[in-house]
Amino acid sequence: GAVVSQHPSWVICKSGTSVKIECRSLDFQATTMFWYRQFPKQSLMLMATSNEGSKATYEQGVEKDKFLINHASLTLSTLTVTSAHPEDSSFYICSARPREDYEQYFGPGTRLTVT
Amino acid sequence: GDSVTQMEGPVTLSEEAFLTINCTYTATGYPSLFWYVQYPGEGLQLLLKATKADDKGSNKGFEATYRKETTSFHLEKGSVQVSDSAVYFCATSRRSYGKLTFGQGTILTVHP
Repeated sequence: GAVVSQHPSWVICKSGTSVKIECRSLDFQATTMFWYRQFPKQSLMLMATSNEGSKATYEQGVEKDKFLINHASLTLSTLTVTSAHPEDSSFYICSARPREDYEQYFGPGTRLTVT
Repeated sequence: GDSVTQMEGPVTLSEEAFLTINCTYTATGYPSLFWYVQYPGEGLQLLLKATKADDKGSNKGFEATYRKETTSFHLEKGSVQVSDSAVYFCATSRRSYGKLTFGQGTILTVHP
């Protein structure tokens, strides 16, 4: 149990376009979802925390207008990278926390490449 | 802010060798400490955790002891297997199950 999926697993987009990444909890309801970014050979950096039905809380230095997060339901959160640029290329990982538990369960990640 | 420093990898071992991956942290108060593992193509999984000083977390033959005096949480396993090949992340949280701060990860490769 406690499986989290991400879609797509990898995506290539052109500079200036927007791309949406989905994070789903497959067998549990997630009251909180987290979005992380990971650069090569570096640690995961928390970008934002989202609670179902409310606005996301962004970490310092993360542009909320560039990285739009929507936690539309208890099983789905989306991250939209707007007007993507090559420096946005990275590995994006989500995690989800069930209502009845406090542990975070991680998705497999999405590799974004902006050309 | 909080930070976690892990032993740099990659680490390459033969099967049945002893494993140590060092982890030290900087945090105020009494953080909780975690080790996560990421197998190829999969998401991070919680391997073990400790929530107070001198606690020992253990799982699948891996162990780590919360040492407040040295601010360390080193991961150990007495005899590694090929299936242990993965990336290991040390992490800290100000309170149990709160926001996680990760180390940079250590790649472990175990050869037959």
